[in-house]
Formats: sequence, C-alpha cells, structure tokens
Amino acid sequence: KAGVTQTPRYLIKTRGQQVTLSCSPISGHRSVSWYQQTPGQGLQFLFEYFSETQRNKGNFPGRFSGRQFSNSRSEMNVSTLELGDSALYLCASSLSVSSGYTFGSGTRLTVV
Amino acid sequence: AQSVTQPDIHITVSEGASLELRCNYSYGATPYLFWYVQSPGQGLQLLLKYFSGDTLVQGIKGFEAEFKRSQSSFNLRKPSVHWSDAAEYFCAVGASTSGTYKYIFGTGTRLKVLA
Repeated sequence: KAGVTQTPRYLIKTRGQQVTLSCSPISGHRSVSWYQQTPGQGLQFLFEYFSETQRNKGNFPGRFSGRQFSNSRSEMNVSTLELGDSALYLCASSLSVSSGYTFGSGTRLTVV
Repeated sequence: AQSVTQPDIHITVSEGASLELRCNYSYGATPYLFWYVQSPGQGLQLLLKYFSGDTLVQGIKGFEAEFKRSQSSFNLRKPSVHWSDAAEYFCAVGASTSGTYKYIFGTGTRLKVLA
C-alpha cells in the first residue's frame, strides 16, 4: 500500500518567489492536512482539506494557500517567499480523526 | 482551549534502560490520543493511539502508553530502549473544536540513547 507521497523532497527558492508543493495521500483518504515544521516553532498547522473543501485553517498569512483536487491530491502554495518560510513542510492524510495521520516524508524548503 | 504539554524537551537514556516520555493534555472530554515518532529529516510515524477501552495500549516497536483520565496524561513507555529509538517523539490530541476535529501536537521530546 503506497504511503503519502510529497514532491519535491528538497527545494531552494529565492526571496520573493513563489512555490508549489504537492501531496498525494493514501488511497481512500479524503482528509489532507499540511504542517510547517521549524526548529524554533515546532509543528504548526497550516490547513486541512476534505473532499476539495478547506475544513480547518491555522494561523498563517494569506501568502500560504492550498487546494485539493477531486482525486484527493493536494497542493500548497506559498507566494512572495520570505527567509522565515524555510522549513520542512509535512503533508498528512487521514481516514478519520480516530485513525490518526499518516505523514509524508516532507518537502524541505530553503529560501535564500 | 485545548493544549498538549510535553514537559521534557530532551531526554537521555542508556541503551537497555527503560523509558517514559510524559504527555499531558487539556481538553473537556476524552480526546483521541496519539504518539508519533520522527527520525531526522523524515515525516512522523504513528506509534500508537487511544480513544476508548483498555487504558493501556500497545504500539509498534515495543512501545506502550497508558491513559490516565484523572491526571489528563498519556505517557509513552518502553521497557528496554534500543539505539535505533533515538528520535523525536510527539504526543497529539484529536479534539473537537468549533464543530470540527483537529489535531493538536505537543512540542516534542528529543530522545538520545547512549551506547
């Protein structure tokens, strides 16, 4: 059974650019969530999508956005990148709240 | 507001010693409770979960956790630690907020294992 796949694994971008990260959830999982992980702030919730609708949103600026497609694949976009956006971005999919998440290996974004 | 506290940022144990990682939560009802492990540069892996029934739950890699309602705790234990257990461990709560469920993660405990 394939796990959660995130692409790309590593990314280097310049300040001011924009970036799109991709996540393919486990087959049958309709909930996809995104987290930002940094050494200083730990795991911070970005947003959750369920059946193509944003169901929950964390406390991030509007530069961070996402979407989910009909096949449950999800993308997140960060516009006007800042140095502080350098982080490991984790995607997680879930069958239900009681099942817990299955995480992808993450995308390591470095902004220079 | 719901919250999860992992009071120990770093823990060091010798290989073969027992381990207990602490987790306390704040929530009005019994939440869904989880422990995850993260190796460097990787995503998080689910170790075990609790949402009802027997308060002692078994997980993968020889880990277990005990839910104590009176203490609002869900501590993770392992009788004998292996060098490969060195990683960061996260406790999480699945809680209902504003009519939807969300997961709340603790700040993590980094485990170092001495040979």
